[in-house]
Amino acid sequence: DTGVSQDPRHKITKRGQNVTFRCDPISEHNRLYWYRQTLGQGPEFLTYFQNEAQLEKSRLLSDRFSAERPKGSFSTLEIQRTEQGDSAMYLCASSLISWGTAGNTIYFGEGSWLTVV
Amino acid sequence: KQEVTQIPAALSVPEGENLVLNCSFTDSAIYNLQWFRQDPGKGLTSLLLIQSSQREQTSGRLNASLDKSSGRSTLYIAASQPGDSATYLCAVPRWETSGSRLTFGEGTQLTVNP
Repeated sequence: DTGVSQDPRHKITKRGQNVTFRCDPISEHNRLYWYRQTLGQGPEFLTYFQNEAQLEKSRLLSDRFSAERPKGSFSTLEIQRTEQGDSAMYLCASSLISWGTAGNTIYFGEGSWLTVV
Repeated sequence: KQEVTQIPAALSVPEGENLVLNCSFTDSAIYNLQWFRQDPGKGLTSLLLIQSSQREQTSGRLNASLDKSSGRSTLYIAASQPGDSATYLCAVPRWETSGSRLTFGEGTQLTVNP
């Protein structure tokens, strides 16, 4: 399978604990995105990387959230001191952007469900 | 700020019907528009990408159109099947960020009854 993969698919954690999600993008893709989705809503942008550089962060990404993409390959999203309001599905996506293109298809993974109890 | 609206929020149809899902956006300066499908509890599957210079794209029983000037896109599904039941989302990238972050609508939940 050469799609976007995310791990773990489900995570239940106690309030105050730290959690980390991993995303492996499609191998040749240079852009990687993180989104968050709650029930009945469309996904909301959190952050994106071009290769290893984090180029944009949403205001939704509080200082308890940190994302990395070392060496421009896989990415991790860590949430520290989780709160019940963090319960959501965290979606990773990737795309290939090159000069002269008007934007290519963005491919999403299956998501990582977080439940904070 | 780009806002994306999808109408209707939910739709239930009998198998075999042709149907249209609507998406509107407030800022017409877009690179492209993408339609996705999402099954319950799953990630998003890309269906069609329409570049800003195009007026429509087709894939099998799906046809998506784009009218930038009026800020509208439609997704036409021909001869609907129960397997088409899912939530359909449209999304546009932000122009000022070189087409990176997507703004999504809230989706249309489609149920096709056998």
